Amino acid sequence: KAGVTQTPRYLIKTRGQQVTLSCSPISGHRSVSWYQQTPGQGLQFLFEYFSETQRNKGNFPGRFSGRQFSNSRSEMNVSTLELGDSALYLCASSPEGRNEQYFGPGTRLTVT
Amino acid sequence: GQNIDQPTEMTATEGAIVQINCTYQTSGFNGLFWYQQHAGEAPTFLSYNVLDGLEEKGRFSSFLSRSKGYSYLLLKELQMKDSASYLCAVRDSGAGTALIFGKGTTLSVSS
Repeated sequence: KAGVTQTPRYLIKTRGQQVTLSCSPISGHRSVSWYQQTPGQGLQFLFEYFSETQRNKGNFPGRFSGRQFSNSRSEMNVSTLELGDSALYLCASSPEGRNEQYFGPGTRLTVT
Repeated sequence: GQNIDQPTEMTATEGAIVQINCTYQTSGFNGLFWYQQHAGEAPTFLSYNVLDGLEEKGRFSSFLSRSKGYSYLLLKELQMKDSASYLCAVRDSGAGTALIFGKGTTLSVSS
């Protein structure tokens, strides 16, 4: 089975721009979670989607949003980028009824 | 609120045993996870504990004491490839399925 895939792997944006990141979960997994990883704060939960509905949301500003499609693929969007948004954005999927989350390789976003 | 503490760095030698501790505070504990993350790679799932006791999986074992808010990850017969960051994460029943991560312990294994 293919693992979680994320595109693009690397991205450089300018402050004030917006960005969309994509995540394809493991086949059959309907839950997709997004995390931000920075050296200072570690891994922080952004939001979780299940069956196209946001099921849970972390403590991030409204500039961070996401959605999930009927095939369970998910996107996250960050508008009005700030320098502090530079981070590794990780997506994880979970099989239904199981607790573990399987992470993708991440998208490295650099905001200049 | 939630708080997870683990040591920032640890060093050990090949063949040795190392124990990485994690203490946590949550309002509604609903499971503890350990992940391994090599530099530049995605975290990979190692273990899950929800009941007190020891879970063994090959060279890796994880222990949980819910009353003490304490867990440890035990790595035996260390190998160079075990050099990585080890992340402790808890699930809080008030936060749904979200995982709350500690900042990770960087383990360096030398020969």
